Formats: sequence, C-alpha cells, structure tokens
Amino acid sequence: RKEVEQDPGPFNVPEGATVAFNCTYSNSASQSFFWYRQDCRKEPKLLMSVYSSGNEDGRFTAQLNRASQYISLLIRDSKLSDSATYLCVVNKVRGAGKSTFGDGTTLTVKP
Amino acid sequence: EPEVTQTPSHQVTQMGQEVILRCVPISNHLYFYWYRQILGQKVEFLVSFYNNEISEKSEIFDDQFSVERPDGSNFTLKIRSTKLEDSAMYFCAGLAGEQETQYFGPGTRLLVL
Repeated sequence: RKEVEQDPGPFNVPEGATVAFNCTYSNSASQSFFWYRQDCRKEPKLLMSVYSSGNEDGRFTAQLNRASQYISLLIRDSKLSDSATYLCVVNKVRGAGKSTFGDGTTLTVKP
Repeated sequence: EPEVTQTPSHQVTQMGQEVILRCVPISNHLYFYWYRQILGQKVEFLVSFYNNEISEKSEIFDDQFSVERPDGSNFTLKIRSTKLEDSAMYFCAGLAGEQETQYFGPGTRLLVL
C-alpha cells in the first residue's frame, strides 16, 4: 500500500465548477498534513496546511479526518489559473521531518 | 513567502561525472532537505540536514550522494558518479514559518547522458 494515495485523475472541469480531491495516508502516527500545487516543470508550492478542525482560504477548503486517515481539498468556483497538479503531503513528524508526497492529481480547468 | 534559491537551473553531464547542485536556503533556518522528481513521477525525499548533520535519509540516498553546508549559507548535494537514472529535477527545501512548512526552491534539472 502506498504511504500517501491520491485520486488518480486527471480532472477536467469547466470554469466555475467545484472540484474535490481526496487523499488517504497509511501511517496513523502521521502528524502534519499539507496540500501543495505544482505547475508543469516547477517546484511544489504550499497551498495550505490541513487541520482536523478544517481550514478555509478563499475558494479553497481542506479537511482532515484522522480516524479515517483521509484528507480532502475542495476548490469552489474554479478558475483557469487553478489548472495544476495538486499534491497531498504528509509528515510523520511535526515540523522537521521528511515530507511524503502523493502522486498528485492533475486538474485542468477549461473555459 | 520565504525564498529558497538553487543553482544551476539546468545541468547536463556525462554518465560517471560528478555534479554538485547548490542551494541557498532561507536565512536563519536550520532544517534543509533535498528531494528529487523523475519526469512524470512523484516527488521523493532524499535527505534532511540539521545542525550540520544528516538527520534522515532515504534508500535512494546511497554512497554516491553526499550533502554539506560548506560556508554556513550554501547547501550542496553532490552526486559522485552520475548514472542515467539520476536524471531528474532536484529540489532543495527549507523549513520556515510558524506552521513549520517546507518551502521549495525552483529546482535544478539534471540530465545525465
């Protein structure tokens, strides 16, 4: 079983659509969780950290369910500029530990 | 957002040659990382570095790889004798911020011929 598993994608959606990404992780002792986005041939860029209480940043909402070892990202009112690969990232140790990446889910938002 | 810089942006080398990839991490932060991403594959952890020592390394980080921080600012990844399968994008990351999140440099694209 992969340590971090994401929806295989790709997702192709029209502008304005709501899209949800799902991610599961295998190590129940994992401590911190993130969503990054990666544009083609660029570095991963932090989108948001994920907490059990859930967090929202504009059109983006992330949720963590520790019992189910499940992380989600919701994008509302998607824009063309949201087209990218979305990476689910899990750390076993809070802060200083290595990050384990999922394979990523590619989103294309079309006009 | 804190900025990590990397040089060179691209490197082409012959199999068996040594390469050194350089990173200038976020100033005043102590945790640094190297990751690699083979084209079309996921980002993979190589090594983490803290207080001038390796704190964790992956199976990929074998004897051909080494890291050091020679002058207190640059953070380098050396591959002693490159193989074709070392061709990848190499990302340096530094740990910063209240949330202790990793910020990635723009990467070095290494091509081994």
